[in-house]
Amino acid sequence: NAGVTQTPKFQVLKTGQSMTLQCAQDMNHEYMSWYRQDPGMGLRLIHYSVGAGITDQGEVPNGYNVSRSTTEDFPLRLLSAAPSQTSVYFCASSSQGTGYEQYFGPGTRLTVT
Amino acid sequence: DAKTTQPNSMESNEEEPVHLPCNHSTISGTDYIHWYRQLPSQGPEYVIHGLTSNVNNRMASLAIAEDRKSSTLILHRATLRDAAVYYCILSNTGNQFYFGTGTSLTVIP
Repeated sequence: NAGVTQTPKFQVLKTGQSMTLQCAQDMNHEYMSWYRQDPGMGLRLIHYSVGAGITDQGEVPNGYNVSRSTTEDFPLRLLSAAPSQTSVYFCASSSQGTGYEQYFGPGTRLTVT
Repeated sequence: DAKTTQPNSMESNEEEPVHLPCNHSTISGTDYIHWYRQLPSQGPEYVIHGLTSNVNNRMASLAIAEDRKSSTLILHRATLRDAAVYYCILSNTGNQFYFGTGTSLTVIP
């Protein structure tokens, strides 16, 4: 199993550009989530999904969109990047939600200039 | 959302036991106590979790106070590979995790 994979590893965007961060898992997990981590801080939940076709907002959802068309994939879209979105983004999955062990991806380091 | 309080940093000598404390005075009866750690430049990694009873696994032990208002993660013999930020997190059926700033553990050779 590859576990949770994220692409790209690094990305630089200009203000106003859009992009999609990819996240995939091969463990048939129902629950997937996106976090951002700013320097010296803990992770903050952006959006999560409890299954294909179901998504919900986390603690800091503004400026981000998600969709879940398959169990395996959970992309995160930035529609109009802002410097405040410079951060490291982590995707995670678990079999049934936060009460179970979550598996995290290696992260995507995003810089918005 | 129930919050946790941890010391910002701790130090331990290599091969000594480490006790990482966590206070969670507003914990509810359905909240699980989770511990994750994050090595430099990596995503968080699951360590252990429990509800009421003490728990042991290959990585660590979790000691939960009788009133559940605090818990302690125990690393039995710290190694240099255990240097990381350790997060104590509460979760319930709300499907949301709230990471604090964690405890940065330094292991001294």
